Amino acid sequence: GENVEQHPSTLSVQEGDSAVIKCTYSDSASNYFPWYKQELGKGPQLIIDIRSNVGEKKDQRIAVTLNKTAKHFSLHITETQPEDSAVYFCAATASTGANSKLTFGKGITLSVRP
Amino acid sequence: GAGVSQSPSNKVTEKGKDVELRCDPISGHTALYWYRQSLGQGLEFLIYFQGNSAPDKSGLPSDRFSAERTGGSVSTLTIQRTQQEDSAVYLCASSFSGGTYEQYFGPGTRLTVT
Repeated sequence: GENVEQHPSTLSVQEGDSAVIKCTYSDSASNYFPWYKQELGKGPQLIIDIRSNVGEKKDQRIAVTLNKTAKHFSLHITETQPEDSAVYFCAATASTGANSKLTFGKGITLSVRP
Repeated sequence: GAGVSQSPSNKVTEKGKDVELRCDPISGHTALYWYRQSLGQGLEFLIYFQGNSAPDKSGLPSDRFSAERTGGSVSTLTIQRTQQEDSAVYLCASSFSGGTYEQYFGPGTRLTVT
């Protein structure tokens, strides 16, 4: 089955700097890669996703890149703000159109220092 | 519009008791997923429902765990004879269909088994 790894487990950046979070996956059949942000006491919130037919996707200050050959994908946050502080999870699925069950990484805690 | 809702938000139970956790998916979403999040861990898939199809129960950790989805909407996750290792946050997600990937999560139910 799919295995998703996320490193490091914590990341601290200065407000205004960029943050990059990387994930690797094992199943070459995986075709969908979402990123979730989870704040304390809340459920995960989908912030951006990418499908295997594109290499990069942007949405304002966040972007995701995908390298299918190396089987890794990354979340990029520019101009970080204190409200970006949260736990970020990457996930992957090799959905064939039926069960799109996601395999998650263990999460990274991002701290943005004011 | 209304998102995924879950109840209760917190549940404390004694070891050996049965518990029921409820999920109300987003209206019109036919796919529903249950995940479990243990302390400091990523999310672990438990079970998937899609319309009237037989559920995918491949993630359920033991036969003490079961789930139902009545009328294609509300779902209930039941844990019988709870154990301390069942303590976790149980998250429900829904998706427009099994073939559409975006999953939207509820706030979760924090289960504590004493």
